[in-house]
Amino acid sequence: QKEVEQNSGPLSVPEGAIASLNCTYSDRVSQSFFWYRQYSGKSPELIMSIYSNGDKEDGRFTAQLNKASQYVSLLIRDSQPSDSATYLCAVNTDPSGNTGKLIFGQGTTLQVKP
Amino acid sequence: GAVVSQHPSRVICKSGTSVKIECRSLDFQATTMFWYRQFPKQSLMLMATSNEGSKATYEQGVEKDKFLINHASLTLSTLTVTSAHPEDSSFYICRGLAGPNEQFFGPGTRLTVL
Repeated sequence: QKEVEQNSGPLSVPEGAIASLNCTYSDRVSQSFFWYRQYSGKSPELIMSIYSNGDKEDGRFTAQLNKASQYVSLLIRDSQPSDSATYLCAVNTDPSGNTGKLIFGQGTTLQVKP
Repeated sequence: GAVVSQHPSRVICKSGTSVKIECRSLDFQATTMFWYRQFPKQSLMLMATSNEGSKATYEQGVEKDKFLINHASLTLSTLTVTSAHPEDSSFYICRGLAGPNEQFFGPGTRLTVL
């Protein structure tokens, strides 16, 4: 069973703080990793994708990947109340990355308090 | 980014009726469409993968005779929930694949079966 695990939360942080969201996956051949944000009643929207070990930064968001530890994380700097949402970690378990089939974690609910 | 539309966005039906959900890729050709179901406060569960012109591949535990998927063209995939029951009430979301690791979610369809 290929699994993607996240702490469901809620994770509560004050406005302006750094929010750290974590995800572990079980399939070692996984090559592509994604973070999605989902507001209540809406479909997910892609925030970040990461394919190689290390950090990838995009604005206030930084994705971190450690394939040896099978761990991917998302850091949100200067958290804003509008960042309050559920964050889904997704993994492409196809070694070639071509099929696009993603396995999703259960999501972490983030609450940013003003 | 590319756009995927879904219709209807919300549907309420009586138990025993069939409901068709359309998913269209508006500005790209989606050779592959993924269909997901999401129950409240749970993650996205992949139901099936459809490729244009061929039969859909269903995930374990998903009844292919109940959830009929048709992917007749590169821009349209449909999911028909046959003889719907209250336990089928859920948020159904399609995701179109435009290329390796390039994919776009539809806005989702909220199905309520009375």
